[in-house]
Amino acid sequence: KNEVEQSPQNLTAQEGEFITINCSYSVGISALHWLQQHPGGGIVSLFMLSSGKKKHGRLIATINIQEKHSSLHITASHPRDSAVYICAVRSNTGNQFYFGTGTSLTVIP
Amino acid sequence: KAGVTQTPRYLIKTRGQQVTLSCSPISGHRSVSWYQQTPGQGLQFLFEYFSETQRNKGNFPGRFSGRQFSNSRSEMNVSTLELGDSALYLCASSLDRVGGEQYFGPGTRLTVT
Repeated sequence: KNEVEQSPQNLTAQEGEFITINCSYSVGISALHWLQQHPGGGIVSLFMLSSGKKKHGRLIATINIQEKHSSLHITASHPRDSAVYICAVRSNTGNQFYFGTGTSLTVIP
Repeated sequence: KAGVTQTPRYLIKTRGQQVTLSCSPISGHRSVSWYQQTPGQGLQFLFEYFSETQRNKGNFPGRFSGRQFSNSRSEMNVSTLELGDSALYLCASSLDRVGGEQYFGPGTRLTVT
């Protein structure tokens, strides 16, 4: 049983397109994280959120606690956005971290 | 400010041996978490330390252990290595509370032969 489900698994987009990655979770959470992992392994935290919406540059993250769902949007996508995007949640019982399997994004010039 | 550093970056060990990995958090960060990443299982949470105390532990066997020192540096140890322990081991630090925004190190790539 996966506590965190992401979709799609793979995504190819043309440069400039608007991209949405979805994350659904089944546990009660204290926070949800969106992570970016480039080839070679380095992971960067993009957002940590527990309610509402956050924006950083061309990236927007939203969360709906009642529906247990979050989305990561990338506006005006660029080839440098090509990476794996991982959704992770911090459970509010036991403080465990659970991770989605990631969405591999390729943006074509 | 320097980022999270992990040593060594690459390691090859033989089945049955033990290994110790090191993580130095960002200066001022008091929480350190460890994660294992494999192609088959993805990212999995190992454990989390705050102020030298283990606060949370993932679902891993007792062969996996860790500790945190008074300067917030952390080590994790894997005893009696198995082939399945081959993975990228990532450390992350956060500022002042358990579960805060995670700043990841580059990882240690462990290969068990």
